[in-house]
Amino acid sequence: LAKTTQPISMDSYEGQEVNITCSHNNIATNDYITWYQQFPSQGPRFIIQGYKTKVTNEVASLFIPADRKSSTLSLPRVSLSDTAVYYCLVGEGLVVTGGGNKLTFGTGTQLKVEL
Amino acid sequence: DAEITQSPRHKITETGRQVTLACHQTWNHNNMFWYRQDLGHGLRLIHYSYGVQDTNKGEVSDGYSVSRSNTEDLPLTLESAASSQTSVYFCASSDDGELFFGEGSRLTVL
Repeated sequence: LAKTTQPISMDSYEGQEVNITCSHNNIATNDYITWYQQFPSQGPRFIIQGYKTKVTNEVASLFIPADRKSSTLSLPRVSLSDTAVYYCLVGEGLVVTGGGNKLTFGTGTQLKVEL
Repeated sequence: DAEITQSPRHKITETGRQVTLACHQTWNHNNMFWYRQDLGHGLRLIHYSYGVQDTNKGEVSDGYSVSRSNTEDLPLTLESAASSQTSVYFCASSDDGELFFGEGSRLTVL
């Protein structure tokens, strides 16, 4: 499984755009990149997943360069409720191949949003 | 609505006792996972199962066991609880895609 590296913490203010970058130099051809969000005293929840280029949903955007050795989660106009830990995961067979997945969660990035 | 539930949500036990944490999902997912979360370590995979009668060890499986007798349940057993197993435990399930997590079980071993 590819190892991921992301900042331990980030601070922002309400209304700003936040970009969290994750490095995954050893990503394999079959690997997808997935981001999860975790609030205190809750389990993580899925935010977004991508394989290459750009993916956007109602919550965030995920930018993946051509070499796929890094990815950037972009949260537009954050609010206080976006304060959470964000995990970048790289894993095989998350959607396409089936057979389950063995995702490895690192320590994540603690995002703190202030007024 | 389909969901995944863990019980108990909080438990205090003594060293050497056997403890079982329950996990029940109603999505009919084949894949179920147990993670533990500790400060400075993120979430670490303990055991996982891809279906009934299938169980596999994760990266921190020593001292833990699981069994999968039906699709809905994956109980996690600590045969002889140790203080090092004080942690928050999360169960998750998936159907080859997004992981759905339970609310967590906080276990304290004294």
